[in-house]
Amino acid sequence: TQLLEQSPQFLSIQEGENLTVYCNSSSVFSSLQWYRQEPGEGPVLLVTVVTGGEVKKLKRLTFQFGDARKDSSLHITAAQPGDTGLYLCAGVRGGTSYGKLTFGQGTILTVHP
Amino acid sequence: KAGVTQTPRYLIKTRGQQVTLSCSPISGHRSVSWYQQTPGQGLQFLFEYFSETQRNKGNFPGRFSGRQFSNSRSEMNVSTLELGDSALYLCASSFRTSGSDTQYFGPGTRLTVL
Repeated sequence: TQLLEQSPQFLSIQEGENLTVYCNSSSVFSSLQWYRQEPGEGPVLLVTVVTGGEVKKLKRLTFQFGDARKDSSLHITAAQPGDTGLYLCAGVRGGTSYGKLTFGQGTILTVHP
Repeated sequence: KAGVTQTPRYLIKTRGQQVTLSCSPISGHRSVSWYQQTPGQGLQFLFEYFSETQRNKGNFPGRFSGRQFSNSRSEMNVSTLELGDSALYLCASSFRTSGSDTQYFGPGTRLTVL
């Protein structure tokens, strides 16, 4: 059972376009993280959102956590070829489950020059 | 500061064999989590160790086991390998002091079962 539904699974766009990736769940998470993974490497953390309704910006990337802490989105403005990679959302539950991340299926983004 | 290291990086085994993978966390990190990544199932949590104790376990059969040593280094073992065990196995380490702790992933071990 996939607890985090991530969409779309594939995204192929031209340089300069904007895009949004969604991460939805029926469960509440204490925080939600976004990672980027490149071939041959492990995922690298981009951001952690903790508070419902929180918005964080990282240069051209904007991350939002839903008010009910069940969903999140990643918006990239003016995508560049260097943004190409696998983007993963991951939910963190509280209590003793801190070390266990629940991942979405991932979005493979390809930005063409 | 050295990152998370995993050995070996690549491994080829045949069905029925067993395999041991190793993970050295970032110095000072006491938590090590293991994940399996496949194209079909994505990244799935295997287990987490903190101070030599298994704290969390995912939904994997008993053929998958792990342990952590006093220096926080961790190993995972898969016995009686099946074709479906072919995957990228990732470990991640963290201080594990709060839910928003950053988990730092290693580059993974690519296991192929023939």
